[in-house]
Amino acid sequence: DAGITQSPRHKVTETGTPVTLRCHQTENHRYMYWYRQDPGHGLRLIHYSYGVKDTDKGEVSDGYSVSRSKTEDFLLTLESATSSQTSVYFCAITSGRAGEDTQYFGPGTRLTVL
Amino acid sequence: AQKVTQAQTEISVVEKEDVTLDCVYETRDTTYYLFWYKQPPSGELVFLIRRNSFDEQNEISGRYSWNFQKSTSSFNFTITASQVVDSAVYFCALRHTDKLIFGTGTRLQVFP
Repeated sequence: DAGITQSPRHKVTETGTPVTLRCHQTENHRYMYWYRQDPGHGLRLIHYSYGVKDTDKGEVSDGYSVSRSKTEDFLLTLESATSSQTSVYFCAITSGRAGEDTQYFGPGTRLTVL
Repeated sequence: AQKVTQAQTEISVVEKEDVTLDCVYETRDTTYYLFWYKQPPSGELVFLIRRNSFDEQNEISGRYSWNFQKSTSSFNFTITASQVVDSAVYFCALRHTDKLIFGTGTRLQVFP
């Protein structure tokens, strides 16, 4: 257990509304990640963070923003949700010695945009 | 470019059969790490193994074994004497810089 929680675990929202997903970790890990999982695509990286206020884009960052004001929290925001953003969102942290680190995942958030 | 290919979309076996899940990767990195994750029907992602590119020894953990071959850029996963509890989606992943690149996953169904 890497001490990762995600909230909410499920959310249904309407097109055009803003949505924020939260990832919280309790073990002071430096790196945090947001992925989305869709059928036929596996997991794709949205954004990641390598420290407080240090973030970078991943493969599918359009339509998403992130913030990390504290080590323990990494927020993913959909400014104006679209139906194409219906997905399961996973947060991850990296744990382990530098160069041998492994990503561990939170339980996921299922988001439905109607 | 970095890429992971899991060509088997879905595999069905009967309990106690052996099954191999294929993973082929592409990378220009000289040092890299490969991973396998399991996603059971409950949805969480469970880390199974990490292998670095310098270590080509096969690894065995109970009924699970992994065959890493740099010559063919493959990192295959074998489950011996499969059980119903092995039913899950299995993902292979390649670490590139600080990020993981995932394959599209193989759904394994083990029938009693």
